[in-house]
Amino acid sequence: DAEITQSPRHKITETGRQVTLACHQTWNHNNMFWYRQDLGHGLRLIHYSYGVQDTNKGEVSDGYSVSRSNTEDLPLTLESAASSQTSVYFCASSGDRRATDTQYFGPGTRLTVL
Amino acid sequence: GIQVEQSPPDLILQEGANSTLRCNFSDSVNNLQWFHQNPWGQLINLFYIPSGTKQNGRLSATTVATERYSLLYISSSQTTDSGVYFCAVFSGGYNKLIFGAGTRLAVHP
Repeated sequence: DAEITQSPRHKITETGRQVTLACHQTWNHNNMFWYRQDLGHGLRLIHYSYGVQDTNKGEVSDGYSVSRSNTEDLPLTLESAASSQTSVYFCASSGDRRATDTQYFGPGTRLTVL
Repeated sequence: GIQVEQSPPDLILQEGANSTLRCNFSDSVNNLQWFHQNPWGQLINLFYIPSGTKQNGRLSATTVATERYSLLYISSSQTTDSGVYFCAVFSGGYNKLIFGAGTRLAVHP
């Protein structure tokens, strides 16, 4: 069955370190998204991609970057981790019609920055 | 930007009760989705419903796009319905899916 996976599921890091969260989907979806979830804010969009070599900033993109070198993967990099980036991160994917298609979510990565 | 408001923020039910969750949005949207986040954190798609009414078992949803709201109905609630229900809208003008803050539901036996 097609799925979307994230790794690691839990990560503890220190302030200032670079961290990369992996997202891999086997739906063959063109569209991929990264969200963060925080109490009181719901889910907020960090970055998204509508295809290989395409990346776009979301509403909370500062301090994060993504790259899309193939259809299956959209890794999220925190260039210099900050305590404010402690959160649960979700990756999602959807079919061809941009974000109007149903989005399918991965299991999430809980990141703690000390 | 577009605002998505969900109500109520919290809801407590006895097993077997019915409930209605509401989602209001401030601008025209191209689609609307309802999600359930279970107690383990997994986000599950419930409905893709830009307009009209859909039903799936004990759950149904109605979106009235012209009046900018959607309703999620849960009938004969079960403890497994507990979790957080999110409404999310896609606006072509902003080219992204925007989530409401969610309704936290607790169903007690």
